[in-house]
Amino acid sequence: LAKTTQPVSMDSYEGQEVNITCSHNNIATNDYITWYQQFPSQGPRFIIQGYKTKVTNEVASLFIPADRKSSTLSLPRVSLSDTAVYYCLVGPDTGRRALTFGSGTRLQVQP
Amino acid sequence: GAGVSQSPSNKVTEKGKDVELRCDPISGHTALYWYRQSLGQGLEFLIYFQGNSAPDKSGLPSDRFSAERTGGSVSTLTIQRTQQEDSAVYLCASRSGTGSNEQFFGPGTRLTVL
Repeated sequence: LAKTTQPVSMDSYEGQEVNITCSHNNIATNDYITWYQQFPSQGPRFIIQGYKTKVTNEVASLFIPADRKSSTLSLPRVSLSDTAVYYCLVGPDTGRRALTFGSGTRLQVQP
Repeated sequence: GAGVSQSPSNKVTEKGKDVELRCDPISGHTALYWYRQSLGQGLEFLIYFQGNSAPDKSGLPSDRFSAERTGGSVSTLTIQRTQQEDSAVYLCASRSGTGSNEQFFGPGTRLTVL
């Protein structure tokens, strides 16, 4: 399984853009990159998934360089409610391999 | 539109007792995962079921832990002879199996071993 490395924690202020980078040097050809968000006392929630280049949805953008050895989750104009733990996962979208969560990045948004 | 459900929501047990935790995945989802999460920690993978294939048990921490999935739907995680270090939130997630890595999580079962 592709191992991922993320910062342990990040701090930001309301209204700022937050970029969380995940390293996955041994990503496989058929692996996708998926990000989850977890609020306290809740299970994780899917945010976004991508394979290459850029993906954008109503919540976030995901930037993936050509070599795919890293990815950056971008949260535009964060609010206090974006305070959560963010997990980066790498793996295929089908098949027998289980996706596993790392320790994640704890984002704290201040007023 | 039912999501993933888990029961019980809270379980308090005494050390040495056996416990069973239940997960009802989203109908039609072929993949099912069990995780546990200790206070302030990340998710620890326990076991993964995919369709009719043999489960991936590589995350089970000891032989006191076992899980089964009957009829490709409901899953039960059993912990025998519980220990205090088993105290955690046990999360279940299901995934459609193809085309997306989106796992849908249940609310979890908070297990406290006294």
